[in-house]
Amino acid sequence: GQQLNQSPQSMFIQEGEDVSMNCTSSSIFNTWLWYKQEPGEGPVLLIALYKAGELTSNGRLTAQFGITRKDSFLNISASIPSDVGIYFCAGQDGGSQGNLIFGKGTKLSVKP
Amino acid sequence: DSGVTQTPKHLITATGQRVTLRCSPRSGDLSVYWYQQSLDQGLQFLIQYYNGEERAKGNILERFSAQQFPDLHSELNLSSLELGDSALYFCASSAGAADTQYFGPGTRLTVL
Repeated sequence: GQQLNQSPQSMFIQEGEDVSMNCTSSSIFNTWLWYKQEPGEGPVLLIALYKAGELTSNGRLTAQFGITRKDSFLNISASIPSDVGIYFCAGQDGGSQGNLIFGKGTKLSVKP
Repeated sequence: DSGVTQTPKHLITATGQRVTLRCSPRSGDLSVYWYQQSLDQGLQFLIQYYNGEERAKGNILERFSAQQFPDLHSELNLSSLELGDSALYFCASSAGAADTQYFGPGTRLTVL
């Protein structure tokens, strides 16, 4: 099925470093979302973006909805060990159907 | 805790068998979505129900079916199981037909 291009695939960083990951699509989306998944659990919503150009923060996390509506990025500042997990971007067309198209994820490892 | 519950957490069965996965949405949510997560395909949308009616269909096999009951809980039925059906199955719910989705903890299905 259709998928988003998410990069990087994995990151190994030192505690305290900043992290950046992004997603691109050949299709326009009306909503971009970022989820985090830890082992044995379901994806947890981090940030939802509803308007092109929108920049939204949630604590140390900042995400932006690209102007073209075909991309989004997520930044994590001053990483800590509990940031470890897999981060997924997801796009939603909106309208009357809510199904999400997911990227393949960015696996983040943080070295204390 | 997202408020979405799924049972069972783990399921081990044999090829050719049939299983039923259950999902209870967050209180007040009318939409339920089913997703499959496998190592090679990532998170893939299967099907959406809204207030008891099928709303959108994704990459759902004909051997799979779902329904949403009057109390809004949903069941995903998987039949004639194959080894390749082994995966994590997630349920998500949202208030409306295209609102922000919150995921349950998932059911890990192993087909031997």
